[in-house]
Amino acid sequence: SQTIHQWPATLVQPVGSPLSLECTVEGTSNPNLYWYRQAAGRGLQLLFYSVGIGQISSEVPQNLSASRPQDRQFILSSKKLLLSDSGFYLCAWSTGVDETQYFGPGTRLLVL
Amino acid sequence: AQSVTQPDIHITVSEGASLELRCNYSYGATPYLFWYVQSPGQGLQLLLKYFSGDTLVQGIKGFEAEFKRSQSSFNLRKPSVHWSDAAEYFCAVKPGGFKTIFGAGTRLFVKA
Repeated sequence: SQTIHQWPATLVQPVGSPLSLECTVEGTSNPNLYWYRQAAGRGLQLLFYSVGIGQISSEVPQNLSASRPQDRQFILSSKKLLLSDSGFYLCAWSTGVDETQYFGPGTRLLVL
Repeated sequence: AQSVTQPDIHITVSEGASLELRCNYSYGATPYLFWYVQSPGQGLQLLLKYFSGDTLVQGIKGFEAEFKRSQSSFNLRKPSVHWSDAAEYFCAVKPGGFKTIFGAGTRLFVKA
């Protein structure tokens, strides 16, 4: 069966520091991968999605970037964090066979 | 533009009472439709989905949803709510392509 992992689970970072969040999927090949951000009390905002290695689509201009160095690995990064980057970051995957997105457990990021 | 509306920000029901969470979407054709549930600090879990066929869809945890094309709605129901159902519920629409559009969510409170 397929599983999705995210780490770290929680992160507290100072403003201006770099960021790297990792997401990996097991049990499937060539998944579509997604990064979402969820601000407190808000819905989900799609940040990036990827349909293959090295292929990244950005949904909103911001302080973040994404990379997909391997088929089942998706990384969210920032060179310098802003206070507004605080939130709950969710990774998800889907396949072309099943249109459903399946979510990871999330990473809580607090920028101070 | 496609959109998903969940008109109720929060709902409170008594344990054992019935529940209906509303969802309306804006899209020309019939999209793929989903309901997810999120417990605090967790990722999103798929409750049910509708792609085609029978408009009444059964999901996990005793939930069901009915697709009504004429009303562009996909409301979630449960005949008897348990305290463990307290969570946030998201309706989502996939009109086509890679993106899924999420509603803002409805937070469910269950009182004893």
